[in-house]
This record gives sequence, C-alpha cells and structure tokens, in this order.
Amino acid sequence: RKEVEQDPGPFNVPEGATVAFNCTYSNSASQSFFWYRQDCRKEPKLLMSVYSSGNEDGRFTAQLNRASQYISLLIRDSKLSDSATYLCVSEGNTGFQKLVFGTGTRLLVSP
Amino acid sequence: EPEVTQTPSHQVTQMGQEVILRCVPISNHLYFYWYRQILGQKVEFLVSFYNNEISEKSEIFDDQFSVERPDGSNFTLKIRSTKLEDSAMYFCASGTRDRTYEQYFGPGTRLTVT
Repeated sequence: RKEVEQDPGPFNVPEGATVAFNCTYSNSASQSFFWYRQDCRKEPKLLMSVYSSGNEDGRFTAQLNRASQYISLLIRDSKLSDSATYLCVSEGNTGFQKLVFGTGTRLLVSP
Repeated sequence: EPEVTQTPSHQVTQMGQEVILRCVPISNHLYFYWYRQILGQKVEFLVSFYNNEISEKSEIFDDQFSVERPDGSNFTLKIRSTKLEDSAMYFCASGTRDRTYEQYFGPGTRLTVT
C-alpha cells in the first residue's frame, strides 16, 4: 500500500466552482500533514498545514480524519490561478520530519 | 519574505562525473533536507540534516551521495559518480520545529546526466 495515496485527476472545473480533493495515508503514527501546491516544473509550495480540528485559510479548507486516515482539501470559488497540482503530504514519523508525498492531484480551472 | 535559494538552476553532466548542488537555507532554520523528483513522478525524500550530521536518509541516498554544511549558510549535495537515473529535479528544503514541522522548498536544480 502506498504511504500517501491521491487521485491523480485531472479535475477540470469552471471558474467559481468548489472542488474537493481527498487523500489517504497508511502510517497511523504520522502526526503532521500538509497540502502543498506545485506548478509545472516548479518547487512544492506550502499551501497549508492540516490540523485535527480542521483549518481554513481564505478559500481553502483542510480537514483531517485520523480514525479513517483521511485528509481533504476544499477549494471554494476556484480561480484560474488555482490551476496546479496539489500534493498531499504526511510527516514520516521518524523524529526528523521526513516528508512523504503523494503523487498529486492535478486541477485545471477553465474560464 | 525569506526563501531557500539553490544553484545552479540547471546542471548538465556526463555519466560518471561528480556534481555538487548548492543550497542556501532560510537563515534561522535548523533542519535541512534534500528531495528529488524524477520527471512525472512524486517528490521523494533523500536525506535530512540537523546539528551538522545526517539524521535520516532514504535507500536512494547510497554511498554515491553525500551532504555537507561547509559554512554557516550553504548546504550542499554531492553525487560522486552520476548515473543516467540520477537525472531529476533536486529540491533543497529547510524548516524549524516551531511551526508543526513545516518545510520550505527552494526552486530546485534540474540535473541532466547524459
């Protein structure tokens, strides 16, 4: 089983739509989770950390369900500039914060 | 806003040659990392570095790889004898423990081995 699993997409949505990405992780001992955004041939950029209580940053909401080992990202009112690959990431629980990446979900927002 | 920088942005080398990839982490960060991403694949962890020593390494990080922090600002990744399969984007990252282990990535070095 992959450590972090995501639907690769692509998700094609019109501007203004709401889109949700899901991710599952296999290491139940992982403590920290993140969503990164990666544009084509660029570095991963931290979008948000994911907390058990859920967190929101503007149009973005992240949720963590530890019982189901499931993480989600909701994007409201999609913009053209949201087109990118969204990487679900867990901390590897080895004490030194190795990050374990999913393969990413590609989002295409069209006018 | 402070950021991680990396040089060069693109390195072309012949198989068997040594390469050194350079990174300047964010200045108050204490944890440093190298990751790589083969084209079309996911980002993979190579090595973490803390307190002037390797704290963890992956199975990819074999004897051909080494890391060093030669001074107070630079962090380098050396590949001693490059192979074709080392062709990838190499990302340096740095972080602290102050904010739930968030790591910030540099723009990457694209390594092409011919």
